[in-house]
Amino acid sequence: GAGVSQSPRYKVAKRGQDVALRCDPISGHVSLFWYQQALGQGPEFLTYFQNEAQLDKSGLPSDRFFAERPEGSVSTLKIQRTQQEDSAVYLCASSLALSSGDVKTQYFGPGTRLLVL
Amino acid sequence: AQSVAQPEDQVNVAEGNPLTVKCTYSVSGNPYLFWYVQYPNRGLQFLLKYITGDNLVKGSYGFEAEFNKSQTSFHLKKPSALVSDSALYFCAVRARYNFNKFYFGSGTKLNVKP
Repeated sequence: GAGVSQSPRYKVAKRGQDVALRCDPISGHVSLFWYQQALGQGPEFLTYFQNEAQLDKSGLPSDRFFAERPEGSVSTLKIQRTQQEDSAVYLCASSLALSSGDVKTQYFGPGTRLLVL
Repeated sequence: AQSVAQPEDQVNVAEGNPLTVKCTYSVSGNPYLFWYVQYPNRGLQFLLKYITGDNLVKGSYGFEAEFNKSQTSFHLKKPSALVSDSALYFCAVRARYNFNKFYFGSGTKLNVKP
């Protein structure tokens, strides 16, 4: 079956521009995560959805970052008024439903590499 | 604060030799532990995880990892390295009480030379 897909794979934006990054999770995966991976660093958590509900957005770095998953499948991460420090790879991951007593593997997409000039 | 440390930016090993990629963590309670591998222009791929039980966990592609609670470590190992193992390896930790938040190390680049 298909894995997690993300589009676009590369995005160049001028400073101040708005961008939208798309994630298509694995079919049937309830949980969806967004991560930001700066050059030479590990992924850092941004936000988490369970179905359409955004249960944790504590990792979003500013109010310019906004994520949605209106129908509980595809998700979009939007960055408004992009800044140079937003340049990074944005990773999406999905998994079966999480619970406190269970551990489900996250499956990652290839990422969107964002460069803000 | 929760954190994961991978003290080596890079590990070099000759093909056929054993390899170790180190990971230590500072997370409250008894966390779940993971290793992922990242190839160029590819997403992270799951290798193995420790939940409970035997401290030696076996995973994909012949990799294994040893959980050491007293040293709060979860080192990745392989008895005989392959050139194709060359990639970026990430250790990750998930707290048991905050099940949606994963903490990743900064990554270790493994170079296996023929």
